[in-house]
Amino acid sequence: ETGVTQSPTHLIKTRGQQVTLRCSSQSGHNTVSWYQQALGQGPQFIFQYYREEENGRGNFPPRFSGLQFPNYSSELNVNALELDDSALYLCASSLGAARGTGELFFGEGSRLTVL
Amino acid sequence: AQSVTQPDIHITVSEGASLELRCNYSYGATPYLFWYVQSPGQGLQLLLKYFSGDTLVQGIKGFEAEFKRSQSSFNLRKPSVHWSDAAEYFCAVGASQAGTALIFGKGTTLSVSS
Repeated sequence: ETGVTQSPTHLIKTRGQQVTLRCSSQSGHNTVSWYQQALGQGPQFIFQYYREEENGRGNFPPRFSGLQFPNYSSELNVNALELDDSALYLCASSLGAARGTGELFFGEGSRLTVL
Repeated sequence: AQSVTQPDIHITVSEGASLELRCNYSYGATPYLFWYVQSPGQGLQLLLKYFSGDTLVQGIKGFEAEFKRSQSSFNLRKPSVHWSDAAEYFCAVGASQAGTALIFGKGTTLSVSS
């Protein structure tokens, strides 16, 4: 058990709606990153938060946004949902933000279906 | 551009047989390399990582991987597969966009036959 918890586990939205996914980091971890895993694909990096600031982003449009709170928990917000946003969204936490600082601990994910 | 290629989409191995999962990466500098395993309904679990030093890396659950810079490869091996090893395996390389960001391959599904 990794200690990273995500909610909700499953949800269904319609195209054009907005969604918020939540993540609680493993105790003591100050860095959170989010990944999108489409069916049959590997996870794709969305962005990383360190000390409440976004400090790295993958190839995702601005309608994907996030927050990190003082307790290091995090939210992923997606506006104007599209059908292609249907995926498993994974949150991962780590002890540091620097490259090579160690292991990412993943939650079990939130499965989003967009109809 | 950074990328990871896992050439085998699906592999079936008999229980007790050896296993090798292939991974090739593209990265300009010294790569940080990882293997993760994902069981159905579960998150990703780290099997092993390579940052520097000895090119043969030992991980959990009896897995090992060998970093070969000349071949840009980081293949995962296990001498004797157990039925519980059936899962999805992902190779990843540390990305440059952010410190801990990873670029994953598309994964290899391992089935174990009895």
